[in-house]
Amino acid sequence: GIQVEQSPPDLILQEGANSTLRCNFSDSVNNLQWFHQNPWGQLINLFYIPSGTKQNGRLSATTVATERYSLLYISSSQTTDSGVYFCAVGVNFGNEKLTFGTGTRLTIIP
Amino acid sequence: ETGVTQTPRHLVMGMTNKKSLKCEQHLGHNAMYWYKQSAKKPLELMFVYNFKEQTENNSVPSRFSPECPNSSHLFLHLHTLQPEDSALYLCASSRISGGAGTDTQYFGPGTRLTVL
Repeated sequence: GIQVEQSPPDLILQEGANSTLRCNFSDSVNNLQWFHQNPWGQLINLFYIPSGTKQNGRLSATTVATERYSLLYISSSQTTDSGVYFCAVGVNFGNEKLTFGTGTRLTIIP
Repeated sequence: ETGVTQTPRHLVMGMTNKKSLKCEQHLGHNAMYWYKQSAKKPLELMFVYNFKEQTENNSVPSRFSPECPNSSHLFLHLHTLQPEDSALYLCASSRISGGAGTDTQYFGPGTRLTVL
């Protein structure tokens, strides 16, 4: 099956810093999503981005499908950004066979 | 976000017990999902239901038995579980599960299961 690798596994930053999280995948995909899981376990979808670039406030994501990677940018980090960021990919367009990465644990220090 | 609720939030059970996890979505969605999140492992999709019909079973052991009586409710019946089944079980819903186009999943808060 498709392999998903995320880096770095852990990231500790001061409040206000910027960060870049990376997701590499082993095969062509039609579905790529980024999720944030807060310290209490709540998982929230951030982006659906199988290709191209999207922005939502301080967060943006870029997927270069031909080179099989996606990047999540977080600018002006806040303590509420702490948690684990997951990338999930799928060969199909839908959600039936999403494969998740192991995540990047981000800790923002005040 | 209270669109997807899960009960109970925490559950401790013995290996011979039978228990059920409940998920309810108030978003008018037609697809519902069960995921398992174990420590140090990626999130694993277990089951997918579309319009009450199971469309995906990701090789889940038969000691986990899902039930979807309608598009708003999803259950996971548990029996004779093993300690390695201890994990966070997450429910999610979306408008549909397949086809082209964006279809965001909304997750519940999860049930933290401990099998003794």
